[in-house]
Amino acid sequence: GENVEQHPSTLSVQEGDSAVIKCTYSDSASNYFPWYKQELGKGPQLIIDIRSNVGEKKDQRIAVTLNKTAKHFSLHITETQPEDSAVYFCAASLGGNEKLTFGTGTRLTIIP
Amino acid sequence: NAGVTQTPKFRVLKTGQSMTLLCAQDMNHEYMYWYRQDPGMGLRLIHYSVGEGTTAKGEVPDGYNVSRLKKQNFLLGLESAAPSQTSVYFCASSYAAGGSTDTQYFGPGTRLTVL
Repeated sequence: GENVEQHPSTLSVQEGDSAVIKCTYSDSASNYFPWYKQELGKGPQLIIDIRSNVGEKKDQRIAVTLNKTAKHFSLHITETQPEDSAVYFCAASLGGNEKLTFGTGTRLTIIP
Repeated sequence: NAGVTQTPKFRVLKTGQSMTLLCAQDMNHEYMYWYRQDPGMGLRLIHYSVGEGTTAKGEVPDGYNVSRLKKQNFLLGLESAAPSQTSVYFCASSYAAGGSTDTQYFGPGTRLTVL
């Protein structure tokens, strides 16, 4: 089955700087890659996703890039703000109603 | 529109006790999922359902049972709780006709402790 590895497990960034979280996946058939943000005491919330026919997607300060050849995808957050502090999870699936396989999470801390 | 709700929010059980976690969604979603979240292990799929009356096993189904008698509800049961089932449990749902089949919406979670 699919295996998703996520790095780093913790990341501290000065407010205003950029943060990058990377994930690799094992199943070359995977074609849907969402990113979730989980704030303390809450459930994960989808922040951005990308499909395999697209190399990059951007939504304001967040962007995701996908390299299908290397089987890795990354989350980029620019101009970080204190409210970006949270745990971020990447995931991969075959799309449709197929199951999501999650990475182990990255705890991002924004230092004021 | 409340989205995905879970009850209870917290629960403490003794080893061997049973309980049922309730998940409800008001988005008319076809698919529903139960995950557990443990430190350093991300979210792991326990069971899922692709429609009313259907259920299927996920990655870590042992010790759990589920039922989907109504489209809007997905129940997770622990027949004989064990300390290894101490975790935070999340329900998610996805897919309404005409919408994305991929995007999963999560509930706020249930923190379960088994002593």
